[in-house]
Amino acid sequence: EAGVTQFPSHSVIEKGQTVTLRCDPISGHDNLYWYRRVMGKEIKFLLHFVKESKQDESGMPNNRFLAERTGGTYSTLKVQPAELEDSGVYFCASSLTRADTQYFGPGTRLTVL
Amino acid sequence: AQKVTQAQTEISVVEKEDVTLDCVYETRDTTYYLFWYKQPPSGELVFLIRRNSFDEQNEISGRYSWNFQKSTSSFNFTITASQVVDSAVYFCALSEANGGKLIFGQGTELSVKP
Repeated sequence: EAGVTQFPSHSVIEKGQTVTLRCDPISGHDNLYWYRRVMGKEIKFLLHFVKESKQDESGMPNNRFLAERTGGTYSTLKVQPAELEDSGVYFCASSLTRADTQYFGPGTRLTVL
Repeated sequence: AQKVTQAQTEISVVEKEDVTLDCVYETRDTTYYLFWYKQPPSGELVFLIRRNSFDEQNEISGRYSWNFQKSTSSFNFTITASQVVDSAVYFCALSEANGGKLIFGQGTELSVKP
């Protein structure tokens, strides 16, 4: 069974540009999470989807971040416009139910210059 | 508020030494889950263990063991006879009993030298 996949693995963009990250959860997992680790600090929660609905978006830093999960399968996280402080590793995780263990993808390393 | 603290930022040991990674947590919930994840140099986060707050029994899996003590709000992780392949960043995390978002510690970078 395929694990959580994320694309791209690395992205380098200029300040002010737009970037879209993609996450494909484990097949059948209704719950999808986005997290971010900035500059060696702790991994911080961004938001949680249940199918296509946003269950909890309390961790989204500001309105430059937009997450979608149309059709309840893969999810995208768009940053527009990107700022220097958005640099970090963005992780996606999925779980079968809310109470189940979350399995993580390999992350997308975003560098904003 | 929930919080996880991993006070050890970096640990360096020589192969075959035992090493313990500390994790202390804060929560007002009476039931919750605790986790350990491993992030090897390749970057992905690998799930290691999940414990329910009701289950304080220590767990052993090969060279890995976990000591959960509710009285001290700690969930420490010990690697016995460490190997170079154990070199990674290890994260401790906490969630509510009904799941949802994980609260992570800052991670401990373990370096095992040959």
